[in-house]
Amino acid sequence: EIVLTQSPATLSLSPGERATLSCRASQSVSSYLAWYQQKPGQAPRLLIYDASNRATGFPARFSGSGSGTDFTLTISSLEPEDFAVYYCQQRSSWPLTFGPGTKVDIK
Amino acid sequence: EVQLVESGGGLVQPGGSLRLSCAASGFTFSSYWMHWVRHAPGKGLVCVSRISSDGSSTTYADSVKGRFTISRDNAKNTLYLQMNSLRDEDTAVYYCARGVSINWFDPWGQGTLVTVSS
Repeated sequence: EIVLTQSPATLSLSPGERATLSCRASQSVSSYLAWYQQKPGQAPRLLIYDASNRATGFPARFSGSGSGTDFTLTISSLEPEDFAVYYCQQRSSWPLTFGPGTKVDIK
Repeated sequence: EVQLVESGGGLVQPGGSLRLSCAASGFTFSSYWMHWVRHAPGKGLVCVSRISSDGSSTTYADSVKGRFTISRDNAKNTLYLQMNSLRDEDTAVYYCARGVSINWFDPWGQGTLVTVSS
């Protein structure tokens, strides 16, 4: 099973600041990595797929990068609606697995 | 609008059974793989099961293999998860999700809570 590790667990930032979230895989997943955003009381939403492709409905301040075992989600300038939990997920092999999440909260 | 609506969750005793349903609308259901994902309190997201677009292929997490059965009715645009021999550790919010490029989840339903407790 491919284990995904996310860091940091919590990121405390102010609106307007840049957020950099990390996801590391226990073995290569090529570019088969996605990011999801989850707000309280809501289901997760697909944000980034295939490491760097932004899903419909998300603005350009969200970007993803990386391949192999190391991936990054960047939010260039935080808006109030961006404070949420972000999960990475791999689809390289079954079982499909998620990271434990990074909570981005307001400083 | 693409929409997934789960139902069938509730409180059940250990060893009991439940059947979850997921009603799909707004897209050609029969063209997509579908998934069940669960989120237990204080724990991470876990992919429980998936099923191919025509229902001919299914996969399960080791933790539910032999106890859970995924199925679908393409005529009714509905996904199911039959859960038998339920355990305390099966307590979670269960989400259905459409598989984009088979194994990306988009969108997700709102989730249904399953509580296994005596």
